[in-house]
Amino acid sequence: GENVEQHPSTLSVQEGDSAVIKCTYSDSASNYFPWYKQELGKGPQLIIDIRSNVGEKKDQRIAVTLNKTAKHFSLHITETQPEDSAVYFCAATLDSSYKLIFGSGTRLLVRP
Amino acid sequence: DSGVTQTPKHLITATGQRVTLRCSPRSGDLSVYWYQQSLDQGLQFLIQYYNGEERAKGNILERFSAQQFPDLHSELNLSSLELGDSALYFCASGDDNGNEQFFGPGTRLTVL
Repeated sequence: GENVEQHPSTLSVQEGDSAVIKCTYSDSASNYFPWYKQELGKGPQLIIDIRSNVGEKKDQRIAVTLNKTAKHFSLHITETQPEDSAVYFCAATLDSSYKLIFGSGTRLLVRP
Repeated sequence: DSGVTQTPKHLITATGQRVTLRCSPRSGDLSVYWYQQSLDQGLQFLIQYYNGEERAKGNILERFSAQQFPDLHSELNLSSLELGDSALYFCASGDDNGNEQFFGPGTRLTVL
């Protein structure tokens, strides 16, 4: 079945620096890749997603890139702020399966 | 606020008991997904309902069951509870035109 690996498990950056989180997936048929941000005591919040027919997508300080050949996708956060501190999850899914397969999460700490 | 509501927020019960978790999807969403989040297993897909019908099943135990009612709210029933069932249970909803899933705030279940 589909498997998603996520690295690093923890990431500490200085405010204003960039942060990059990487994921790899196993099923080449996967075609939808969302990223979620989870703050303490809250549910995962969808922050950006990308489909397999697109190589890059950007939304203000957040961008996601997808390399279908290598089966990996990455989240890029620029000009990090303390409020970006949270756990970030990548996920992958197939249209026909509907279920999200999540990575193990990255705890991002932005130091003021 | 995602628009997905879940009750109760917290639930404390004993082993062997049965509980019901409730979820109301975003207005207009026909799909409801249930996920379990535990420290050792991460975020795991349990089951999906679409417009009242079961559509996809994940690693859901036989002691667990779910249903979606005509008003589209969903309930997850957990029976013969064990200590290992202690976890966060999230409901997500989607409109099924894309893959976007929006998560509720979760129910924290503690089995003593």
